[in-house]
Amino acid sequence: AQTVTQSQPEMSVQEAETVTLSCTYDTSESDYYLFWYKQPPSRQMILVIRQEAYKQQNATENRFSVNFQKAAKSFSLKISDSQLGDAAMYFCAYRSAYSNSGYALNFGKGTSLLVTP
Amino acid sequence: EAQVTQNPRYLITVTGKKLTVTCSQNMNHEYMSWYRQDPGLGLRQIYYSMNVEVTDKGDVPEGYKVSRKEKRNFPLILESPSPNQTSLYFCASSLGMNTEAFFGQGTRLTVV
Repeated sequence: AQTVTQSQPEMSVQEAETVTLSCTYDTSESDYYLFWYKQPPSRQMILVIRQEAYKQQNATENRFSVNFQKAAKSFSLKISDSQLGDAAMYFCAYRSAYSNSGYALNFGKGTSLLVTP
Repeated sequence: EAQVTQNPRYLITVTGKKLTVTCSQNMNHEYMSWYRQDPGLGLRQIYYSMNVEVTDKGDVPEGYKVSRKEKRNFPLILESPSPNQTSLYFCASSLGMNTEAFFGQGTRLTVV
């Protein structure tokens, strides 16, 4: 299975500031999908953003954007204008485009984001 | 409303007592899977199903069973639970490989 690494167990950001969460992955595949999921204290898993590996353009969703570096196998998440509601655990996930993997989501161990007033 | 529904949300049981966690989705998704979440380990896939009557093992299948008799339902069965299966469990479904996975609300299981 592909390995997803989130090297920052915890991060802190002040309200209205920008924070970047890092994610790297290990794969020999050329076609795959990358996701960032948010898990607030309610435990619900919420999709933040999605990136297709064949697309060079970085995905953006409102205040959330990614820096996808395919050659470096890096997929960082940038949160702009941080809000108190952004406080959560963030998981980076990899999904192969090949069915022999069962289309499993391979998750990193997560980064806990604290937002301070 | 499109959703994945898991039951129960919380469960405390004793070692060896068989239990089933139900999962149902109303989006006509073909692909469903179960994950367990443990502190410091992220989410790991237990079993998955790509269609009715088609199931396969994920990364951590030991001690679990699943079935997919209907497209909408994908129950997780613990025949003889043990304390190391104490965890937070998530069911998820998706339409295809390039679409997001919808997650259930999670089931907090404690085996004593």
